[in-house]
Amino acid sequence: EPEVTQTPSHQVTQMGQEVILRCVPISNHLYFYWYRQILGQKVEFLVSFYNNEISEKSEIFDDQFSVERPDGSNFTLKIRSTKLEDSAMYFCASSDGRERTDTQYFGPGTRLTVL
Amino acid sequence: AQTVTQSQPEMSVQEAETVTLSCTYDTSESDYYLFWYKQPPSRQMILVIRQEAYKQQNATENRFSVNFQKAAKSFSLKISDSQLGDAAMYFCAYRLAQGGSEKLVFGKGTKLTVNP
Repeated sequence: EPEVTQTPSHQVTQMGQEVILRCVPISNHLYFYWYRQILGQKVEFLVSFYNNEISEKSEIFDDQFSVERPDGSNFTLKIRSTKLEDSAMYFCASSDGRERTDTQYFGPGTRLTVL
Repeated sequence: AQTVTQSQPEMSVQEAETVTLSCTYDTSESDYYLFWYKQPPSRQMILVIRQEAYKQQNATENRFSVNFQKAAKSFSLKISDSQLGDAAMYFCAYRLAQGGSEKLVFGKGTKLTVNP
């Protein structure tokens, strides 16, 4: 069964550094998402991406965040200047986009630790 | 704004018994979807079951079933014949139907422990 994959599984960085989190969505899916989960808290929506542009973003997704689909398979989340509060689990998800009951399929996540 | 509330931070159940996890939500929309996701200790979220708001019939998937009460805005998950592998965090989630916002709105989760 096709799966969403994410790399790396764990990223440690220094405050102020840039990080890029990578995701490979399910191949025929059209919608892509990033969510984050701060330890012990609920999963929060960051951004959705469709047709090579952001279709929706949350208040969390400020100017330090950006997303890109650099080729036909990868979907990336860049954090330009990391802060301590960016430490969280980041989940990528994708959905078909052509079905009414559109299910989002999640990757295993990248644990980001900002020191 | 839509909100999802899971009032049980933790639940436990004996193996082979039945457990019900609660979820309530708030929305002014009439066409939406509800989901239960399972997040095992490996942390990959897996879809357990989904319900379309326009369908009156409660969704079932093997040992998992829901009690969807649209008027009460309640969406509980029943796990029958609980197994050790059911131990996980369970998240209730809401999404507008296609054409609206695509984002999932999650509850805080319920940690389910299954005792042998």
